[in-house]
Amino acid sequence: EIVLTQSPGTLSLSPGERATLSCRASQSVSNNYLAWYQQKPGQAPRLLIYGASGRATGIPDRFSGSGSGTDFTLTISRLEPEDFAVYYCQQYGSSRAFGQGTRLEIK
Amino acid sequence: QVHLVESGGGVVQPGRSLRLSCAASGFPFSSYAMHWVRQAPGKGLEWVSIISYDGTSKYYADSVKGRFTISRDNSKNALYLEMNSLTPEDTAVYSCARDPSTSHNYFYYMDVWGKGTTVTVSS
Repeated sequence: EIVLTQSPGTLSLSPGERATLSCRASQSVSNNYLAWYQQKPGQAPRLLIYGASGRATGIPDRFSGSGSGTDFTLTISRLEPEDFAVYYCQQYGSSRAFGQGTRLEIK
Repeated sequence: QVHLVESGGGVVQPGRSLRLSCAASGFPFSSYAMHWVRQAPGKGLEWVSIISYDGTSKYYADSVKGRFTISRDNSKNALYLEMNSLTPEDTAVYSCARDPSTSHNYFYYMDVWGKGTTVTVSS
């Protein structure tokens, strides 16, 4: 069973700043089958990134994913007010599992 | 417009059963695999189960294996989750989600989500 650990637990930044969120797997994720989701309070999660770096339909290009093997990163280049939310990574290379989430809050 | 709407949640006593439904619209339902994902109050996302586009392949999280059954009716564009022997640890918002897979055995991520239905297990 692959366990995903996200860091930091909470990230406090200001609009316009760059956000870097980490997702580390307990073992290598095959084919870099890793996705990122954004969830706002009371809303369903939204797919941002799949295959570690593929941007989902309609996702702004300020969101980018990178990484391979066991270390993956979601980067938001310039934070907009609507980007403050909880972000989850998910691996689908071996069954499926989510990370515990990173809360991105306004500083 | 692609749309997923869950129903069937409620308050149920420990040990009892509940059946959730997910109505799909706006896409060819019979071509896509479908997931159930849950989120306990104040907690993160937990994958529950997946079913292939034709219903022939089904997989479950260890936490629900043997108690939950996923099924689908492609003629009704509907997904189901039969939940038996419920415990308080099953209390969560249950959401259905679409998987872009058109395979029997290879499944991926969740590209469309419903808003979920709330299940509370309490005496």
